[in-house]
Amino acid sequence: EVQLVESGGGVVQPGGSLRLSCAASGFTFSSYNMHWVRQAPGQGLVWVSRITSDGSSTSYADSVKGRFTISRDDAKNTLYLQMNSLRAEDTAVYYCAKYYGAGTYCLDYWGRGTLVTVSS
Amino acid sequence: QSALTQPASVSGSPGQSITISCTGTSSDVGAYNLVSWYQQHPAKAPRLMIYEVSKRPSGVSDRFSGSKSGNTASLTISGLQAEDEADYYCCSYAGSDTYVFGTGTKGTVL
Repeated sequence: EVQLVESGGGVVQPGGSLRLSCAASGFTFSSYNMHWVRQAPGQGLVWVSRITSDGSSTSYADSVKGRFTISRDDAKNTLYLQMNSLRAEDTAVYYCAKYYGAGTYCLDYWGRGTLVTVSS
Repeated sequence: QSALTQPASVSGSPGQSITISCTGTSSDVGAYNLVSWYQQHPAKAPRLMIYEVSKRPSGVSDRFSGSKSGNTASLTISGLQAEDEADYYCCSYAGSDTYVFGTGTKGTVL
């Protein structure tokens, strides 16, 4: 059974940093692109970032480019999101999600999310 | 990277059909047949319902169908059931390895 479990969320002051983790199991983690998607309280889904299966390529939404860094450790089956220079508008539940497969450009499994609150 | 436009809410009675639209631009929805749809129940993770405009993953009811015309994609739910009451989001590939989600639609079963 595919499982994605996010952790690392919490309360952080504006300008601060936080690192999110996503522990994956039930599939060959190293074979799949992985994504982060966020959802502000009461709001819609927003795509944040993607990393390829081999970690060689990353992409970001304009709103987080230069502040967030996605990475992965295939030996630990874990996806990361390093978030720096956090702003109030980054407050959201952050989901990690697995890419469905080659050419589909969609996400078939999602974690339950971890809440990040940016507040003084 | 502006969000795709969806109606805030759509409703229907049990057994009826509803259609949710998703309007983008010639740079995202119109440019690629790579629109997907997600269902999200309150406080739950999203679930993939449709991918590549009209394909259904294994386990998704055939009551769910998708289509696209120009810059607008659509999700139709036929034979509406109580468990279909949820939020629905479209998503499109937007080029340069980026994606864009829709604003979301609250689906209500009357």
